[in-house]
Amino acid sequence: DAMVIQNPRYQVTQFGKPVTLSCSQTLNHNVMYWYQQKSSQAPKLLFHYYDKDFNNEADTPDNFQSRRPNTSFCFLDIRSPGLGDAAMYLCATSVTGGEADTQYFGPGTRLTVL
Amino acid sequence: GQNIDQPTEMTATEGAIVQINCTYQTSGFNGLFWYQQHAGEAPTFLSYNVLDGLEEKGRFSSFLSRSKGYSYLLLKELQMKDSASYLCAVINSNYQLIWGAGTKLIIKP
Repeated sequence: DAMVIQNPRYQVTQFGKPVTLSCSQTLNHNVMYWYQQKSSQAPKLLFHYYDKDFNNEADTPDNFQSRRPNTSFCFLDIRSPGLGDAAMYLCATSVTGGEADTQYFGPGTRLTVL
Repeated sequence: GQNIDQPTEMTATEGAIVQINCTYQTSGFNGLFWYQQHAGEAPTFLSYNVLDGLEEKGRFSSFLSRSKGYSYLLLKELQMKDSASYLCAVINSNYQLIWGAGTKLIIKP
C-alpha cells in the first residue's frame, strides 16, 4: 500500500543532544512537509519541500534543519533539543501543494527530551 | 492575522448526532479541510469543501458557507470509535494550510 512512513515512532533524547527524525513516502508526491504538534494544539508547519525546493517558515527556529536527498525521503534534524521541543513531529505529503491538494500524514514521531 | 476557531471540546452520546463548528478568517480562501485525529496518532483526511453547500460522505457530512467564513462537520449515528479530535484547516490565497487547534469529541455510551 502506498503510504507515509516515519521512524522511529518514539524517540527519547537528552537535552542538547542532536536527534534526526526520518520520513519516507511511497506515494511519489512532489511536496513533503514537517509539522510540530504539541498536545491540544494545531499542527505547526516547520518546513516544506516542493520537489527539492526548500521552504522554511519564518518562525521556525534555527535549531531545526531539514534535508530531502531524494523524492522519497525527508529528514528533520534538531541540533540541540530543548525541553520545549518535546512534541509530536508529523511528516505529510501532497501531490502539488496547490488548492484542493490533500495532505497525507505519516503516523508521527513522539519526541521526549530528558 | 489569520485564525481558525473551533470549540475545544464537545461531548455526545453513542448513536446520536453531533455538529462541530468552525469559523475562519484567512487571507483568501482556496478550500477547507476536515481531518480526524485519534489520540497519539496522525491526522487522517475526512473531507474537502471549496463550494458552498453540504458534502455528504457516509455518516459524515461537511458544510461550507464562504460568505460567513463558516463550516461544520456533522457526524451521525455516533460510534465509540468516533472519539477523537476533529481539525478544521483552510488553504489561503498563498496555498498555506492554516490549522485550527481541533475539537476533542468525547462519546459516552
